[in-house]
Formats: sequence, C-alpha cells, structure tokens
Amino acid sequence: EAQVTQNPRYLITVTGKKLTVTCSQNMNHEYMSWYRQDPGLGLRQIYYSMNVEVTDKGDVPEGYKVSRKEKRNFPLILESPSPNQTSLYFCASSLSLPSDPRDTQYFGPGTRLTVL
Amino acid sequence: LAKTTQPISMDSYEGQEVNITCSHNNIATNDYITWYQQFPSQGPRFIIQGYKTKVTNEVASLFIPADRKSSTLSLPRVSLSDTAVYYCLVGDKSARQLTFGSGTQLTVLP
Repeated sequence: EAQVTQNPRYLITVTGKKLTVTCSQNMNHEYMSWYRQDPGLGLRQIYYSMNVEVTDKGDVPEGYKVSRKEKRNFPLILESPSPNQTSLYFCASSLSLPSDPRDTQYFGPGTRLTVL
Repeated sequence: LAKTTQPISMDSYEGQEVNITCSHNNIATNDYITWYQQFPSQGPRFIIQGYKTKVTNEVASLFIPADRKSSTLSLPRVSLSDTAVYYCLVGDKSARQLTFGSGTQLTVLP
C-alpha cells in the first residue's frame, strides 16, 4: 500500500531534549516536505527536499533540521526543542513538485508533539 | 504566490450539494488551482486540481471561470463524513512549496 509513515505519532518531551521524528515513504517519491499545523495559523512548511542530499528551507525553518540521506526517508530533527514547537507535524511526499498537475502530494498521519 | 480567500466556515445538510468558492485575484498565468481536504488530526488529502473551465473526478467538481480569479469546489450530495476543512491552493507547477491558507470548515448536519 502506498503510504507515508511517521513515527512517533505522539510525543511528550521536555525543553532541550533532542528528538527526531521519522518520515518514510514507499512510493519512490523525489519530493518530501515537513509542515507544522497550529490553531489559527494553518499549515506552514518547515523544510522540503527535492531529492537525496537536496534540502531547502520552507516558511518556518527556525529550530529545525532535516536530512535526506536516502530517497525514502526524511527525518525532522529538533536539536533543542522549546515549548513553542509544540504542534502537529505532517510529512508529505510527491513524485515531482507539489503543484505539478501530473502528480499528487501524499501526507502522513501526523505527529503530535508536546514540549514541556 | 497568489493569495487565496475562502469563507471560514459553511454548514450544509446531508444530501445537499455544497459549493465552496475561493477567490484568487492575483493568480498568475502558470498557476494551477488545487483543493485539499483535511479531517481532524489527519494529514490533508488531495481532492482535485484544475487550470481552467471544469474538472470532475469521482469525488468533486472544480469550476474555474474564464478570468480564473476564483474557483468553486462542488461536492455533490454531501454526507456527514464530508465534514472537514477544505483548502484552496494556487501555485505554479514548478513551485517548490505548497502554501495553505486558512481553509473552510465544512460541517454537514444530519
């Protein structure tokens, strides 16, 4: 089954404790990205990756890191989480660029992160 | 990126047709219009995409007038399970990002 998986689905942590949220897709997609969703602010893009070893900042990259060592994986790293990073996080992937009419962007199930 | 404006919320009843209109006055020549659906605590799901006139798939129809400054998502005979937030996005096919607006909360009532 074609899908985007994220782990963990729920995480409660404390300020400053490094964490990684994994994202994996099984569709051989080149494009992957991370979003955060907050009440009243909607979905905002954190980082995206056009292909292996190619990453770029989205609209809200501060406090986050990503890596794309393999095509299928795109982990989101919070080196020193802070309470303002409490949010619902979504990973997404597509074969080509996200607005390409020949393609569809697939979203993962989400990771709800709470930083105390 | 063209800015989009949608109603914040809409209510409908089961079995009715629902039309959600999105305004995008600054749409560029190369921009496509895409609609996503999102249920609570789930990731957005692609519904439909179009460039001009009308597009129809098994889920919805998308109507785009000639000036392309607006678009209307039409959901035929909605059910309770269609209660969700619907997002209208406008972007060039070469755009490297998707920009989500506030979306429209559709509530289908029994």
